[in-house]
Parts: sequence; C-alpha cells; structure tokens
Amino acid sequence: AQSVTQLDSQVPVFEEAPVELRCNYSSSVSVYLFWYVQYPNQGLQLLLKYLSGSTLVKGINGFEAEFNKSQTSFHLRKPSVHISDTAEYFCAVSDAIRNTPLVFGKGTRLSVIA
Amino acid sequence: KAGVTQTPRYLIKTRGQQVTLSCSPISGHRSVSWYQQTPGQGLQFLFEYFSETQRNKGNFPGRFSGRQFSNSRSEMNVSTLELGDSALYLCASSLTGPSYNEQFFGPGTRLTVL
Repeated sequence: AQSVTQLDSQVPVFEEAPVELRCNYSSSVSVYLFWYVQYPNQGLQLLLKYLSGSTLVKGINGFEAEFNKSQTSFHLRKPSVHISDTAEYFCAVSDAIRNTPLVFGKGTRLSVIA
Repeated sequence: KAGVTQTPRYLIKTRGQQVTLSCSPISGHRSVSWYQQTPGQGLQFLFEYFSETQRNKGNFPGRFSGRQFSNSRSEMNVSTLELGDSALYLCASSLTGPSYNEQFFGPGTRLTVL
C-alpha cells in the first residue's frame, strides 16, 4: 500500500523568506502526486498536482513542486511567503496504474511570522 | 458554481448513538469520497461512491457506512458511536474519481462524541 511521509510537522518561517515543505512517498511504478492546503475551519484546496510530463509543477498562490522519481520525493516550495500562507499543507499520492484513492501525509503546519 | 456543502457543520452525540452526515457535491460531479480527519491519524480515507455504487473502501469498521443517491448526494452513517469517532469528517467530490481528478472538499462536519 502507498504511504506518504511529510518530514516536518511544523515549519515556522519569516514573512518574505523562502520555504520548502518536504514530502516523500513509498515507491510505486507510477504515481499521481498532489499538494493540498487547509486554512482554519475550512476544507482542503488543491495547490498543484503531478500526473505526468514535466517534473516541475507550478500551482496556485506562487507555489511549485518538483517530482523526483529517484528520491521518491515531491517537495513543495515558495520563494517568498506571506502571512496569508499560514495553513496546514498535505501531500497526497495515488497509484496511477490501479487508480487507488488518495493517501495523505499527516500534514505540515506552516506558520509565517511577521 | 456552488461548492461542496456538508450538513450539519457541528454535531454533539453521546456514546452508543448513531449519526448521519450529508454531503452535496458540485453539480456534475459523480464521485464522492469521505475522509476522517483527526490530530493523531491525519486524513484517512473512508469510502468513495460513484454512480450510487461504493467503489473503494478504507480500513474502517462496519459501523461506518455510506450511500449515494441518484442526484450524487451522499450520506455517511456511523452507528454505535465511540469516543474515538470524534473527528472532522470531510466530503470531497470530483468528476469521475479521486485518483487523478482534482477533488473539491467541503468544509467538513465536526463530530464530538461525549
């Protein structure tokens, strides 16, 4: 079964600084990868997804992620964060061959400090 | 386009009772997935319905059940509630399935079991 590890449960960062949220997944022949964001008292919202093609994926709100098959990673980055980026971020994976439901990581709490 | 709606938003029940949660997907979406979110376990997949049929099921006891109606609206039911069932229950809809389509999440139903 697929699994996802988000290496940092909490990441504090100063406003306008860059940030990287790390995500590793268990190996599979072919995967789909996602990053979702959850703001307080809200459901999840898709930031970006990798299905195939270019390994650098650009998403909403200035976020991007890079798919690295050899390292089974899909780290999320933003060059300059804003206070409004404070939220919980979830990495998720599904098996592209068997079209399995998404398996989510436990989340990384990003806190942007003014 | 209206988003995914979930009712009720908050529920308080006592052990042994049963509860029914409702989810209305985005118009045109035929797949509805349910997730349980807790601080300890994170987001865990409960089940997915597509065209009134349960297509995938997570690793939850039989006390958790669901159904989907012809208009794609879905309900989930938890019988004989336990304290550990206290969680945020999220519903997500997508066009044909969660594995590669973007899922749109509702705000969730916060269930507290006393």
